[in-house]
Amino acid sequence: ELKVEQNPLFLSMQEGKNYTIYCNYSTTSDRLYWYRQDPGKSLESLFVLLSNGAVKQEGRLMASLDTKARLSTLHITAAVHDLSATYFCATGGSYIPTFGRGTSLIVHP
Amino acid sequence: DAGVTQSPTHLIKTRGQQVTLRCSPKSGHDTVSWYQQALGQGPQFIFQYYEEEERQRGNFPDRFSGHQFPNYSSELNVNALLLGDSALYLCASRSYGQGLHGYTFGSGTRLTVV
Repeated sequence: ELKVEQNPLFLSMQEGKNYTIYCNYSTTSDRLYWYRQDPGKSLESLFVLLSNGAVKQEGRLMASLDTKARLSTLHITAAVHDLSATYFCATGGSYIPTFGRGTSLIVHP
Repeated sequence: DAGVTQSPTHLIKTRGQQVTLRCSPKSGHDTVSWYQQALGQGPQFIFQYYEEEERQRGNFPDRFSGHQFPNYSSELNVNALLLGDSALYLCASRSYGQGLHGYTFGSGTRLTVV
């Protein structure tokens, strides 16, 4: 059974600081996704990573994938309040994703 | 271009009742998947429909059933509701053959069972 673990589950950080969210998964997969969810809202796709060593960046967020370690990271640079949300990673075969529990990020002024 | 549309947005039901949730996929999409998201958890895959047939199913009891219509819209039915069925139910659509990258999620239906 595929398991996806994220840590930390909760993250409170100050504006301007950097931090990394980690996503470990238990079985080999050829794709890893990051989603953002605002309270009461649906899921917004952030990144899709398709190969070992893949790195993608959008604004203050950068995602990377190490398939050998079964690890993906989401790095936040110089956080701003607008980044406050819950971030999910997901992976899995047959196009059926298994999601982690999510990391709830709060950015304080 | 309308995205994925779900209805209703909120619903309150009594334990033991039955509920039907509806989903209209994004234009051009033919595959619909349903997810259950409990409070504080990640979405859990329920099942996927393509060509009006259930193609894959997650670890959910038979109380959860679905249907896809010729226009690709879909329904999720839950019978004999339990308190534990209270959750946000998300519908996601894509074009068959695309990976998760192609999924578009709806805003969800918040189901509360009392």
